[in-house]
Amino acid sequence: EAQVTQNPRYLITVTGKKLTVTCSQNMNHEYMSWYRQDPGLGLRQIYYSMNVEVTDKGDVPEGYKVSRKEKRNFPLILESPSPNQTSLYFCASSGTSGDSDTDTQYFGPGTRLTVL
Amino acid sequence: AQKITQTQPGMFVQEKEAVTLDCTYDTSDQSYGLFWYKQPSSGEMIFLIYQGSYDEQNATEGRYSLNFQKARKSANLVISASQLGDSAMYFCAMRDWELTGGGNKLTFGTGTQLKVEL
Repeated sequence: EAQVTQNPRYLITVTGKKLTVTCSQNMNHEYMSWYRQDPGLGLRQIYYSMNVEVTDKGDVPEGYKVSRKEKRNFPLILESPSPNQTSLYFCASSGTSGDSDTDTQYFGPGTRLTVL
Repeated sequence: AQKITQTQPGMFVQEKEAVTLDCTYDTSDQSYGLFWYKQPSSGEMIFLIYQGSYDEQNATEGRYSLNFQKARKSANLVISASQLGDSAMYFCAMRDWELTGGGNKLTFGTGTQLKVEL
């Protein structure tokens, strides 16, 4: 089954304790992205990656890091989480061919993070 | 800059009725794509429908159709014959090819919460 997986689904942590949220896709997609969702703000892009070893900042990158060492994986790293990073996080992937069918972004199930 | 506006924070519709969820967008580019996603209470984001800026016909997917009015920069989602399972948050999103240089960033609206009633 084609899918994007994220782990963990739920995480409660404390300020300053480094954490990693994993993301993996099995569709051989070049493009992967992280979004955060906050009430009243919709989804905002944190980082994205066009391919292996190619990453770039989105609209709200402060406090986050990413890496893309393999095509299927795109982990999100919070080196020193703070309460304002409490949010619902989504990983997404798609192709980049210019064709609408292959370029539709498919989302993971989400990770609900609480930073105390 | 791109912007997506969804002016209806919440809507109610009776089962079996049709409902229209509004979406307007702002972009100066000629090549872009418009998407609708559904987010049920369980939280996942489910892709519903896509409309390209050069598509001459409105997109349809089962009970979903996209009323695309390019001159008015609107991309409203129409759900026909509403079902209880349609109760969810709905997001309109835009991908701007020229802005992202072939990348695939989506700009989202703030969403519309739809409640289907018996």
